[in-house]
Amino acid sequence: DSGVTQTPKHLITATGQRVTLRCSPRSGDLSVYWYQQSLDQGLQFLIQYYNGEERAKGNILERFSAQQFPDLHSELNLSSLELGDSALYFCASSVVRGREAGELFFGEGSRLTVL
Amino acid sequence: DAKTTQPTSMDCAEGRAANLPCNHSTISGNEYVYWYRQIHSQGPQYIIHGLKNNETNEMASLIITEDRKSSTLILPHATLRDTAVYYCIVRVAAVFGSARQLTFGSGTQLTVLP
Repeated sequence: DSGVTQTPKHLITATGQRVTLRCSPRSGDLSVYWYQQSLDQGLQFLIQYYNGEERAKGNILERFSAQQFPDLHSELNLSSLELGDSALYFCASSVVRGREAGELFFGEGSRLTVL
Repeated sequence: DAKTTQPTSMDCAEGRAANLPCNHSTISGNEYVYWYRQIHSQGPQYIIHGLKNNETNEMASLIITEDRKSSTLILPHATLRDTAVYYCIVRVAAVFGSARQLTFGSGTQLTVLP
């Protein structure tokens, strides 16, 4: 158990719909990262938040948005869903010790199926 | 972050050591070598990391060559549960307490055979 909690674990919806994925980081971790993993593209970094502010952005579509709340949990909003958005969505949080690069701890993911 | 090259797949007999190589010839001085693994459809799991020196923890050992251009992850006594995709990632140090994201490549599919 990494300590990172993601809900829901599974989600089935239709094209054109909107969904929200939720992530609770490990206690005390300030950074939250979102990743997408589809069958043909591997693990793709979407976005990072640090203490409520966007810190880095990867290959995140304009139809997707995220935020990190004052209690440090994060939500990833996916709108106008397309079949190609079907994927596993992982959240991670990180701890940094001193000058090291920091480990990321991943949740078990949310599996989104768009029909 | 520096690019890494790993073999696509490897097999290992159960109970034997699994040695997973990684090339990172363009690594710079402030970049760390990280290893993660992903067991089928589960979240990636941190294994070990290092900068210059060899490292060992309860899961594995990391051997980094003196020129830092390659490394080897060693699982000393592989079990069937070690079957997974193993990712070697090179990454710069954190900035202002915020760790950089990990950039995953294709990794090495390790299959531990009974």
